[in-house]
Amino acid sequence: GNSVTQMEGPVTLSEEAFLTINCTYTATGYPSLFWYVQYPGEGLQLLLKATKADDKGSNKGFEATYRKETTSFHLEKGSVQVSDSAVYFCALSFMNTDKLIFGTGTRLQVFP
Amino acid sequence: GAVVSQHPSRVICKSGTSVKIECRSLDFQATTMFWYRQFPKQSLMLMATSNEGSKATYEQGVEKDKFLINHASLTLSTLTVTSAHPEDSSFYICSAQSRLANYEQYFGPGTRLTVT
Repeated sequence: GNSVTQMEGPVTLSEEAFLTINCTYTATGYPSLFWYVQYPGEGLQLLLKATKADDKGSNKGFEATYRKETTSFHLEKGSVQVSDSAVYFCALSFMNTDKLIFGTGTRLQVFP
Repeated sequence: GAVVSQHPSRVICKSGTSVKIECRSLDFQATTMFWYRQFPKQSLMLMATSNEGSKATYEQGVEKDKFLINHASLTLSTLTVTSAHPEDSSFYICSAQSRLANYEQYFGPGTRLTVT
């Protein structure tokens, strides 16, 4: 079946550190891939997405590249800020359906 | 930007009672709304999809008579947990989708249900 696996958290970093949150997927076919972010007390927000292999999604300094050969979509940021502290969810969906399949979420804590 | 609200944010109810959760799209019309359930340290699991004016489509394993979904207007969907039991305690999240926003899903902040 289709599924998403992401690293367990929490990930704890100091401000300006480099961030990587790993995400791999299992899918029959060629899904679109997403990263959502959930700040405390708020709903999930779309952070970035990629719809085909080798596409790079980017937003707010975050990047992720759709790697078909490794079935991965790792989230990276060169220099995190305290305001990036949140829970990050990796997800996939297929074009002919609205259904999103989520990973378990990874909590990021950034300290000054 | 598109905002989705949920009410209440937290609710505690006694076993055997029913509880209703509202999901509203505040500044856009949502042709489709989704209901998810999240257990601690687990993924969001899609429970059902509802389109305005029609019956909800439930995912496999989700009891239709247990989780009643009504999508009466383009801005409101409700989830009623009937005859709640402690195992229904969970975090319920809705999302709303608009064709005018390229079918992106906008999520509510969630409702924490505790059944005692």
